[in-house]
Amino acid sequence: DQQVKQNSPSLSVQEGRISILNCDYTNSMFDYFLWYKKYPAEGPTFLISISSIKDKNEDGRFTVFLNKSAKHLSLHIVPSQPGDSAVYFCAATAYNNNDMRFGAGTRLTVKP
Amino acid sequence: DGGITQSPKYLFRKEGQNVTLSCEQNLNHDAMYWYRQDPGQGLRLIYYSQIVNDFQKGDIAEGYSVSREKKESFPLTVTSAQKNPTAFYLCASSYSGGLTNEKLFFGSGTQLSVL
Repeated sequence: DQQVKQNSPSLSVQEGRISILNCDYTNSMFDYFLWYKKYPAEGPTFLISISSIKDKNEDGRFTVFLNKSAKHLSLHIVPSQPGDSAVYFCAATAYNNNDMRFGAGTRLTVKP
Repeated sequence: DGGITQSPKYLFRKEGQNVTLSCEQNLNHDAMYWYRQDPGQGLRLIYYSQIVNDFQKGDIAEGYSVSREKKESFPLTVTSAQKNPTAFYLCASSYSGGLTNEKLFFGSGTQLSVL
């Protein structure tokens, strides 16, 4: 069963504009959420995370928002740059749980 | 330079053959993981290990086997019982294995294809 869903397989934005990537989850036990970035033929690299006790976490151009009641999180990239073009995976895990669940990924293309 | 090394980058398997994917880490992490990625799907957990000489099955362990004889190494064997082995395999590690909320560090992956 897909406990973490990324319903948009792809997203294209213009350089300098905002990119918004969305993620939904079904398991209310999840309390830690992460975003990973992946380039072709490479492993994912950690981008940003958020604990369920927060609703926002910011790191430079990247901000993650968490809406627990809606079981929804989003990643905002402002401003978007061509180097941000990659596949972004949303992931979730519960405390003391080794099974991190991943979404299917969203391919972001930032056009110059 | 600390990290996770997976080898080989590309691997081909013949019918009925077992193949082993290598994963080595020098991050001094306790926990290691194997994930499988298929096109259009998220990463799915095959096996994980929190400590040496111990490992647990993930969601899709059938047709796979692992060992954890050293902290640094977590090889994955794809056996002939795995009928659909073509996929991108990712090895990962984390500091303590889920005892606290923590991120995973990934290797660069192995693409396995069936001849």
